[in-house]
Amino acid sequence: QKEVEQDPGPLSVPEGAIVSLNCTYSNSAFQYFMWYRQYSRKGPELLMYTYSSGNKEDGRFTAQVDKSSKYISLFIRDSQPSDSATYLCAFPSYSGAGSYQLTFGKGTKLSVIP
Amino acid sequence: EADIYQTPRYLVIGTGKKITLECSQTMGHDKMYWYQQDPGMELHLIHYSYGVNSTEKGDLSSESTVSRIRTEHFPLTLESARPSHTSQYLCASSSGPPTDTQYFGPGTRLTVL
Repeated sequence: QKEVEQDPGPLSVPEGAIVSLNCTYSNSAFQYFMWYRQYSRKGPELLMYTYSSGNKEDGRFTAQVDKSSKYISLFIRDSQPSDSATYLCAFPSYSGAGSYQLTFGKGTKLSVIP
Repeated sequence: EADIYQTPRYLVIGTGKKITLECSQTMGHDKMYWYQQDPGMELHLIHYSYGVNSTEKGDLSSESTVSRIRTEHFPLTLESARPSHTSQYLCASSSGPPTDTQYFGPGTRLTVL
């Protein structure tokens, strides 16, 4: 079983839709949870970061963590064409010397159609 | 926006050539990373550095080498490129505690013919 499972999509939705993106993980040591967004021909950029179970909201984006099920979600409300990108879940794990290494999902490619 | 730069952005080269992919950051970060990303696949860590004169291999085996002579510069070298090296290479640096957020460059897309 892979450490992180993420449906690669592609996912195509109409503008204004609510989008749900998900990852499952198997490593109980993961305590921190990140979502990165990667536009075409760009590097990933950190979108949201959380370390606790429950919800964290930032504008139209909500990150949800269920540690008991090892399942994380990213919800996008009122999706916009500018949200079209690949969304990657990422899991930092401590590697010593105050540093963390990231385990990434494959990414879900999202297209928001005007 | 993160100040991390990669050159070249695109490179097409023949088998057997030596290539160096450049990565520079102006944020003063001690930690830097190289990832390999293939379409539809996870980012895989191939090299990292925690500071000057520190380099380590990542989880994914790679025939490339890196050096870290200056804090801001972390080049990746392939001594003899092969078609199997065709991929996207992403450089990142991280900010340290408490979140150690990694900031990525735009990537170099390498094609070896």
